[in-house]
Amino acid sequence: GENVEQHPSTLSVQEGDSAVIKCTYSDSASNYFPWYKQELGKGPQLIIDIRSNVGEKKDQRIAVTLNKTAKHFSLHITETQPEDSAVYFCAAMRDYGGSQGNLIFGKGTKLSVKP
Amino acid sequence: DTGVSQNPRHKITKRGQNVTFRCDPISEHNRLYWYRQTLGQGPEFLTYFQNEAQLEKSRLLSDRFSAERPKGSFSTLEIQRTEQGDSAMYLCASSSQRSHSSYGYTFGSGTRLTVV
Repeated sequence: GENVEQHPSTLSVQEGDSAVIKCTYSDSASNYFPWYKQELGKGPQLIIDIRSNVGEKKDQRIAVTLNKTAKHFSLHITETQPEDSAVYFCAAMRDYGGSQGNLIFGKGTKLSVKP
Repeated sequence: DTGVSQNPRHKITKRGQNVTFRCDPISEHNRLYWYRQTLGQGPEFLTYFQNEAQLEKSRLLSDRFSAERPKGSFSTLEIQRTEQGDSAMYLCASSSQRSHSSYGYTFGSGTRLTVV
């Protein structure tokens, strides 16, 4: 089955710096890769996602890159702000007709942005 | 209502009791999922509905767990004879389907279960 590994487990940056979180996946049939932000006591919030037919996607300060050959994808946050502090999860899924519909998550990265 | 709603937010129960959680998905979403999350871990898949049909169950979903989505709208997750190991955050998510792909995979805020 699919296995998703996420690094680092903790990341501390200064406000204004960039943060990068990396994930690798094992199932070459996975084709949907979302990223979630989870604040304490809340459910995961979808912040950006990418499908295997593109290599990069950007939304304001957040970008995701995907390397299908190497089976890894990364989250890039630029100009970090204290409110970006949270736990970030990557996930992978086979998303097509007949698929299970379940996301396989990494173990999470706790991001701390120091003012 | 623009999000996935889960009730209750918190539940404390004694070991051996039954508990039931409710999830109301985003109204136009036909897919609904249940996950479990323990402290310091990512969510783990439990089960998945497309409309009212339960299409997949994880091995994590023991015989004591049952989920329903009777009219393809809200869903309930029941745990019978709760055990301390059932203590976790139970998350519901929903998505819409277009051309066999999922869109807008959105989670609720979860129900935190504590079994004492």
